Amino acid sequence: AQTVTQSQPEMSVQEAETVTLSCTYDTSESDYYLFWYKQPPSRQMILVIRQEAYKQQNATENRFSVNFQKAAKSFSLKISDSQLGDAAMYFCAYRSAGDMRFGAGTRLTVKP
Amino acid sequence: SAVISQKPSRDICQRGTSLTIQCQVDSQVTMMFWYRQQPGQSLTLIATANQGSEATYESGFVIDKFPISRPNLTFSTLTVSNMSPEDSSIYLCGSTLNTEAFFGQGTRLTVV
Repeated sequence: AQTVTQSQPEMSVQEAETVTLSCTYDTSESDYYLFWYKQPPSRQMILVIRQEAYKQQNATENRFSVNFQKAAKSFSLKISDSQLGDAAMYFCAYRSAGDMRFGAGTRLTVKP
Repeated sequence: SAVISQKPSRDICQRGTSLTIQCQVDSQVTMMFWYRQQPGQSLTLIATANQGSEATYESGFVIDKFPISRPNLTFSTLTVSNMSPEDSSIYLCGSTLNTEAFFGQGTRLTVV
């Protein structure tokens, strides 16, 4: 089965600074998608950013960008100009045709 | 994108009883996923359910304990059977549509 690994249980960043969350995955598939989700205490899973594996260009959504290294199976999330509202659990997720799995999560704290 | 309505949002149940969680999608989807999430932890895939076929269960999860129904392309249920306090957790359903993945609001189950 595919696995997703987030090696940082907790991260902290100063407001307005930049932080990078790490994610690696293991798969033998060639066609898949990668996601970063944010989960605040409300439990709702909020999509932050998505990357199609066939695209070489790194996805960007406003202050959020990814560094997608397909050969290394790495998919890190960079949050620029961190805001207090960014504080949450962040999950890296892998999706293929019949599967969707999550990493263990990284709890991000933003210090004012 | 699509929206999943999941209910109940929370319940407190007596041990030995069963609870059925429902997820209604506002679009037709091929696959639905059921996850369990302990507080502060990641989502663990319980099973994948396709319409018209038996659900596929992950290691450690069995149909007798977590029967799933998928009667049509917009609806699925997960039943937690013969509950014990160890079943206390958050249960989420999810699905994918085109390149998107989306989730219900979660059900917080407490077994006493």
